Amino acid sequence: GAVVSQHPSRVICKSGTSVKIECRSLDFQATTMFWYRQFPKQSLMLMATSNEGSKATYEQGVEKDKFLINHASLTLSTLTVTSAHPEDSSFYICSAGEAKADTQYFGPGTRLTVL
Amino acid sequence: AQTVTQSQPEMSVQEAETVTLSCTYDTSENNYYLFWYKQPPSRQMILVIRQEAYKQQNATENRFSVNFQKAAKSFSLKISDSQLGDTAMYFCAFMKQANSGYALNFGKGTSLLVTP
Repeated sequence: GAVVSQHPSRVICKSGTSVKIECRSLDFQATTMFWYRQFPKQSLMLMATSNEGSKATYEQGVEKDKFLINHASLTLSTLTVTSAHPEDSSFYICSAGEAKADTQYFGPGTRLTVL
Repeated sequence: AQTVTQSQPEMSVQEAETVTLSCTYDTSENNYYLFWYKQPPSRQMILVIRQEAYKQQNATENRFSVNFQKAAKSFSLKISDSQLGDTAMYFCAFMKQANSGYALNFGKGTSLLVTP
């Protein structure tokens, strides 16, 4: 089956620093990837849609200058949390699917803790 | 916009018993996909089952089956012969059209506890 990886799985950083999270489709090409955020005991909230070779589409209320998304290849999308603050601490999950397929596969998630 | 509603925040079932998790959704689309994902304590999202809206036959995957009522916009998940490993959060999700270029809309989830 399709596999999506994320790196790192956990990261702890100081307030004011930037953190980059990678999402890779390991055995398929993904023109579109999605970034979600999940708070404890809550559902997944879509942050943005990452499109290969073009700008990401952000959901309402998500600051695009704070959450930078780059989708430079058909197998890699990155999410950079800039000038992180404690309120950015959360679980970030990416998903991807093959073009015109009916199923998305999820990465294992990244737990971000901002001190 | 599509909305997905899971009205049962928590449920509990004894091992070997059957449990049904409910999900309703609202959409004006005619062609779409519905999913149930499982999120165990590891927090890895695992696809449990999917249903294509244009198929009347309910999807089945081993102990997992759905009751898809398109007119009622209902999509419940039945877990038969519950096992301890089924303990997890279960999310119902909607995808507009059969194209993974569309994001999933998730319900708030149901926390299922399987007890010995």
